Amino acid sequence: EVQLLESGGGLVQPGGSLRLSCATSGFTFNSYAMSWVRQAPGKGLEWVSGISGGGTNTDYADSVEGRFTISRDNSKNTLYLQMNSLRAEDTALYYCAKERAVSGIYFVDYWGQGTLVTVSS
Amino acid sequence: DIQMTQSPSSLSASVGDRVTFTCRASQSISNYLNWYQQKPGKAPKLLIYGASSLQSGVPSRFSGSGSGTDFTLTISSLQPEDFATYYCQQSYSTLSWTFGQGTKVEVK
Repeated sequence: EVQLLESGGGLVQPGGSLRLSCATSGFTFNSYAMSWVRQAPGKGLEWVSGISGGGTNTDYADSVEGRFTISRDNSKNTLYLQMNSLRAEDTALYYCAKERAVSGIYFVDYWGQGTLVTVSS
Repeated sequence: DIQMTQSPSSLSASVGDRVTFTCRASQSISNYLNWYQQKPGKAPKLLIYGASSLQSGVPSRFSGSGSGTDFTLTISSLQPEDFATYYCQQSYSTLSWTFGQGTKVEVK
């Protein structure tokens, strides 16, 4: 059974930092790209960042470029998101997402339950 | 960046209705379009991938169509468990995705 368990969320002041983790099990972690997707309270889904299975390729939404860093430890089956220079608009539920491809079409087939990040003074 | 625009933002419907909503991409994305359903307090659930392929376990009343820039999701006969918010998502840009703003289906 595939499981994605996020942790590391919490309350942080503007300008502060947090590191989110996503512990995974039930699949061959290094064979799949992973993403972080967030959802501000009462708002829609926003893709934040993605990383290839080997960790060599990454990309970021413009809204977090230069402030957030995605990484993975394939020996620990864990995905990370280092968030620096946090802003009030980064307040959201952050989902860890496992990607899958069928005939070259990529999509999320499993989601974590989310970890809440609140940026406020 | 590829922008995704969904319409309408919300709609009211009754059980048994046929409902259709749309998603438009700011540039051609071929069939790199997925649809998700989200219920309050829950993570999204994949319904359709590749514009028209039904995810395993998803009821056949859901169908998707389109290619290029214009896509539709249709529910042939709305069921009580289908009241939710639906999001489209493009995966044309590998590792750099965007979601539409969502369409909320409410009880009429």
